Amino acid sequence: NAGVTQTPKFQVLKTGQSMTLQCAQDMNHEYMSWYRQDPGMGLRLIHYSVGAGITDQGEVPNGYNVSRSTTEDFPLRLLSAAPSQTSVYFCASSTGLLGNYGYTFGSGTRLTVV
Amino acid sequence: GQQVMQIPQYQHVQEGEDFTTYCNSSTTLSNIQWYKQRPGGHPVFLIQLVKSGEVKKQKRLTFQFGEAKKNSSLHITATQTTDVGTYFCAGDGGSNYKLTFGKGTLLTVNP
Repeated sequence: NAGVTQTPKFQVLKTGQSMTLQCAQDMNHEYMSWYRQDPGMGLRLIHYSVGAGITDQGEVPNGYNVSRSTTEDFPLRLLSAAPSQTSVYFCASSTGLLGNYGYTFGSGTRLTVV
Repeated sequence: GQQVMQIPQYQHVQEGEDFTTYCNSSTTLSNIQWYKQRPGGHPVFLIQLVKSGEVKKQKRLTFQFGEAKKNSSLHITATQTTDVGTYFCAGDGGSNYKLTFGKGTLLTVNP
């Protein structure tokens, strides 16, 4: 099992550009989430999904879109990149079965917007 | 919205000393989770606590969930250099999938 795979690992964007951060998991997990991590701010929830076709907003959703067409994939789209979106982005998944809610995180995407 | 406060923000110890980080939620939690993130790495799930007053141990790590299910702690006995990293608590207000993370405690260990 590869676990949670995020691509790319690093990305530099110009202000106004759009891009999609990819996230895939091979553990058949129902729950998936996107977090951003900024110095001194901890991990903040951007969007989450409780299953294919179901998504909802987290704490900091503005400027980001998500979709969940399959159980495996949960891409995060930046619509028009801004310097404030410079951050490390983590995708995570959880089975949610049998009371086990712990999340498995991907290795992250380091995004710089110039 | 739900807030999870974690203290201290930083802790530097000598190898062999004990370490404790505390987590407090503004609301009652259905469960609390603890994660460790090594420098430059990603968060790794350590444990989940669900029951009021629950105590769980993993070797030198002891996790507690408060009676009111609003606070938790992680205690490391006799720290080692391999314990270096940031420890996060993450609270769940009842959804079981929408976690709110504390800002973490960065632990450094002097050998």
